[in-house]
Amino acid sequence: QKEVEQDPGPLSVPEGAIVSLNCTYSNSAFQYFMWYRQYSRKGPELLMYTYSSGNKEDGRFTAQVDKSSKYISLFIRDSQPSDSATYLCAMSGGYNKLIFGAGTRLAVHP
Amino acid sequence: ETGVTQSPTHLIKTRGQQVTLRCSSQSGHNTVSWYQQALGQGPQFIFQYYREEENGRGNFPPRFSGLQFPNYSSELNVNALELDDSALYLCASSSSLQTGQGARGYTFGSGTRLTVV
Repeated sequence: QKEVEQDPGPLSVPEGAIVSLNCTYSNSAFQYFMWYRQYSRKGPELLMYTYSSGNKEDGRFTAQVDKSSKYISLFIRDSQPSDSATYLCAMSGGYNKLIFGAGTRLAVHP
Repeated sequence: ETGVTQSPTHLIKTRGQQVTLRCSSQSGHNTVSWYQQALGQGPQFIFQYYREEENGRGNFPPRFSGLQFPNYSSELNVNALELDDSALYLCASSSSLQTGQGARGYTFGSGTRLTVV
């Protein structure tokens, strides 16, 4: 079993829809939770960072962490075609190593 | 301020050969991490370098090795290439202060796509 599970999709939604992306994990030592966006032929770009449990909002993006259920989510409101990318969840117990999910491919249609 | 630069962008090698990939850190960053991203998968941690020393290693065999130079740039070397080594190799730089926050401050390069035939 992988430490981090993420549905690879693809997920296809119309412009303006609310998108929900999720990951589950098994390692209770994880304290830092991140969402990265990766466009084709590019490296991952940090979207959201959360320490421990709770919610964090940044513009159209909301990240939620539920450590009791070992479940994290990313919500995208009013989705745009420019949001079409692969979304990677990542987590860490502290220092030097990030554990990534497999990534969910999102396509937002005009 | 420049970002993380990786070279080359694409590379084709034959099984059994050796390859060297290069990474220039973002200005002000002193820590470099390397990740391997197979097609359709998330990145996997190979190792990290800080002050020219290896500072953590993932589940990769010894034929994956690295170097960090005094200017914080880095190289990833892979010997005896195997077909399964075909992947996107990502370099990420960060400052040592941010690394302790769960790699919050990572800046990734665009990667080197390696194809082994």
